Amino acid sequence: EVQLVQSGAEVKKPGESLKISCKVSGNSFASFWIGWVRQMPGKGLEWMGIIYTGDSDTRYSPSFQGQVTISADKSINTAYLQWSSLKASDTAMYYCARPAGGYSDGPVDSWGQGTLVTVSS
Amino acid sequence: QLVLTQSPSASASLGASVKLTCTLSSGHSLSAIAWHQQQPLKGPRYLMKVNSDGSHNKGDGIPDRFSGSSSGAERYLTISSLQSEDEADYYCQTWGTGMVFGGGTKLTVL
Repeated sequence: EVQLVQSGAEVKKPGESLKISCKVSGNSFASFWIGWVRQMPGKGLEWMGIIYTGDSDTRYSPSFQGQVTISADKSINTAYLQWSSLKASDTAMYYCARPAGGYSDGPVDSWGQGTLVTVSS
Repeated sequence: QLVLTQSPSASASLGASVKLTCTLSSGHSLSAIAWHQQQPLKGPRYLMKVNSDGSHNKGDGIPDRFSGSSSGAERYLTISSLQSEDEADYYCQTWGTGMVFGGGTKLTVL
């Protein structure tokens, strides 16, 4: 069974940098696609982008291009979501998600437990 | 542009059935979708994939009370014998021209 385990909650100040992680275990393949989803307080799910851990091929949703950086470390089956300068509007829950079948898009059939990011002065 | 439309809210009584709808935007009536459940203060959980022909593939451990169907550009999630733990937000999701989520339906079990 695939498990996506995310790093813990973060509280940051505006302007600070942050990198959160999603470690994948139980996957049948050495490389895979992992995406990130934002959920702002009281709002719905928004797809941010996705990365292939094998070669770090990354695809961003237009709304998030340039706002965040998605990266991966194949050796430890971990994907990352990074901000260079946080804003209060980045306050949200962030989920990692794996599309089924080893494709870059498709039904998401595995979710991480979420990482709450709070940005406040 | 591929858009998924869901009603913001729905309600049904304990033990009854409810049918939630996700509508695909024009030109995408053959697309499959996935349904996800998000219980209060929890992360999303994959329920099933629903194809344009109404066939569906459920995730591991999803009760038989949950089923999917289709008609034209509409994809449905039917929950029968409603239980209190079914009170949740339900999101549809599709793919093809990027990953897209619907706005979600908040289901209240009366």
